[in-house]
Amino acid sequence: AQTIHQWPVAEIKAVGSPLSLGCTIKGKSSPNLYWYWQATGGTLQQLFYSITVGQVESVVQLNLSASRPKDDQFILSTEKLLLSHSGFYLCAWTRDWGNYAEQFFGPGTRLTVL
Amino acid sequence: GDSVTQTEGLVTLTKGLPVMLNCTYQTTYSPFLFWYVQHLNEAPKLLLKSSTDNKRTEHQGFYATLHKSSSSFHLQKSSVQLSDSALYFCALSGGNNRIFFGDGTQLVVKP
Repeated sequence: AQTIHQWPVAEIKAVGSPLSLGCTIKGKSSPNLYWYWQATGGTLQQLFYSITVGQVESVVQLNLSASRPKDDQFILSTEKLLLSHSGFYLCAWTRDWGNYAEQFFGPGTRLTVL
Repeated sequence: GDSVTQTEGLVTLTKGLPVMLNCTYQTTYSPFLFWYVQHLNEAPKLLLKSSTDNKRTEHQGFYATLHKSSSSFHLQKSSVQLSDSALYFCALSGGNNRIFFGDGTQLVVKP
C-alpha cells in the first residue's frame, strides 16, 4: 500500500525567513507528485507538479520553488517568506489508470507566517 | 482548456434535509469525475468517482450521476447530518493525466 508523509506537521515562521517543506511517498515507484496551497477554507491552488526526478513544472509560483531530488521525494521551498504564504500546504500523488488520474493527498503542513 | 465549475460557495442546511451540490465541467477528453470531501484541518479525501455516463455511484450516503450530455456531476444526499459539514471539491481528470479542481463548496449543517 502507498503512504504519503509530509513534514513538518506545522510551522510558525517569521516574515523573511527561509522555508523548506517535504513530502515523501512510499510504495509507489515513479509517482506523479503535486504541491497545493490552500488558504483557510479556500480553494486548492495547484503550485507545482513533477512526473520524474529532477523535473518540476510550475503552475503558480507564489514566490516559491519546488524540487524533486529523489523518486519518492518532493520539496517546496523559499528563501524569504511572505505573510501571504500562510496556509495549508498539501502534497499529492496520482494513480494513473491509463487515460485518467486519481489523486491522493498527504496529511498537509499548516504554515503560519508572522 | 479543462475546467470545473462549482456554482455554490456556501450551502447552509438544517439537519435531515436533502442537499445537492452542483458541478459542471469542460473537457475535450473522455472525462473522469471525482468528489472530494475535506473536513476542518484535514486533507481532502476521495468521496466518489465515475467515468460511466448515466450511472449513479454511491458512497457513505452520498450519490452522484455523471451526465455527459449536460457535462454535470452533481453531488446529492437525501438527508444531511451534522458530520457532513465540510468543504466539498469536484474534480476532473481528462486524457492527459492532469487533474483539475473546482473552487469548492462549503456545506454547513445546522441542528
